[in-house]
Amino acid sequence: NAGVTQTPKFQVLKTGQSMTLQCAQDMNHNSMYWYRQDPGMGLRLIYYSASEGTTDKGEVPNGYNVSRLNKREFSLRLESAAPSQTSVYFCASSPTGVNEQFFGPGTRLTVL
Amino acid sequence: DAKTTQPNSMESNEEEPVHLPCNHSTISGTDYIHWYRQLPSQGPEYVIHGLTSNVNNRMASLAIAEDRKSSTLILHRATLRDAAVYYCILREKGNQFYFGTGTSLTVIP
Repeated sequence: NAGVTQTPKFQVLKTGQSMTLQCAQDMNHNSMYWYRQDPGMGLRLIYYSASEGTTDKGEVPNGYNVSRLNKREFSLRLESAAPSQTSVYFCASSPTGVNEQFFGPGTRLTVL
Repeated sequence: DAKTTQPNSMESNEEEPVHLPCNHSTISGTDYIHWYRQLPSQGPEYVIHGLTSNVNNRMASLAIAEDRKSSTLILHRATLRDAAVYYCILREKGNQFYFGTGTSLTVIP
């Protein structure tokens, strides 16, 4: 099992450009999450999906959209990137009712 | 406002116990306390969680104060592989995790 995979690993954007971060899990988990981690900080929840077809806002959703494409995949879209969105983005998944979240390796995004 | 407060850094000698403290004075009755750790350039890794009672697993122990306003993660014998940033997290509203800034643990050989 690959666990949680994220693409790309690194990305540089110019202000105003758009992009989609991809996340997939092969553990048959119902819940998936997107976090961002700024330098020297803890992770902050952007959006989560408790099950296929549902999404909810987390702590810092502004400037982002998400799509739960199917049970395996959960994408994060930046419509118009801003330098304040420079961060490392982590995707995670968990089974329903289980407290352990499994994290991917992260995507390092720089917005110039 | 931060929901959990942890020391920025701690040191421990290898093979000695480590006690990592966390304050969460605004915790509500239904909030779970979670601990995760993060190695450099990796995603966080689950360590342990609890609600009211002390908990043990193969990685660590979690001691929760009677009033639940603080907790302590205990690593029984620190190894070099335990050097990481340890996050104390409150799980609110079902799936919402609130990470603090974490404690950077250095293990001295």
